[in-house]
Amino acid sequence: AQKITQTQPGMFVQEKEAVTLDCTYDTSDPSYGLFWYKQPSSGEMIFLIYQGSYDQQNATEGRYSLNFQKARKSANLVISASQLGDSAMYFCAMREGSYTGTASKLTFGTGTRLQVTL
Amino acid sequence: DSGVTQTPKHLITATGQRVTLRCSPRSGDLSVYWYQQSLDQGLQFLIQYYNGEERAKGNILERFSAQQFPDLHSELNLSSLELGDSALYFCASSAGTGESSYNEQFFGPGTRLTVL
Repeated sequence: AQKITQTQPGMFVQEKEAVTLDCTYDTSDPSYGLFWYKQPSSGEMIFLIYQGSYDQQNATEGRYSLNFQKARKSANLVISASQLGDSAMYFCAMREGSYTGTASKLTFGTGTRLQVTL
Repeated sequence: DSGVTQTPKHLITATGQRVTLRCSPRSGDLSVYWYQQSLDQGLQFLIQYYNGEERAKGNILERFSAQQFPDLHSELNLSSLELGDSALYFCASSAGTGESSYNEQFFGPGTRLTVL
């Protein structure tokens, strides 16, 4: 079974509008972390936001927020006030294992390509 | 700039050859991870080293090997290369020391390998 599922291969959004990128995950580990990364056409992976499984509040980082619904096992990324520079691939990832201590591997979804239009 | 460096940026080689990809983690980071991004397999974890020791292994082929040196830089060796090994290879690093609410992985710019 897929551990991370991103069902939207591509999305379009108008500049200045908000957009939600979907991510669902599957794990039986009570301690896990969820990450979103942005990959522009240049290829680098840029960390955007993190949500821990025990965090009570949804994570926010500037224009990025994570809509974490634990019971539904979803961790959607919300980008507010989209900009042309937001056009990129967006990957949802999960880290299972101990919540503290040494980091462990990330499992990535297949990504969503976001195109911001004028 | 994540602080993680990878060399070379691009590598073009022939089938059957052997190449070495190099990664320098962020200053102070003890964990190094290698990931492969290909069109058909997506982003896959290959292997993790922590302070010189292998920590976790993913979908890494037997033709591939890695190591982390005392200065914490890491090398990924790919041998008997096949066309299907063409991919973007990322190195990431994280602190991985002590207690932390999370350990963000910082990715390098990647090495694009083309096998002809």
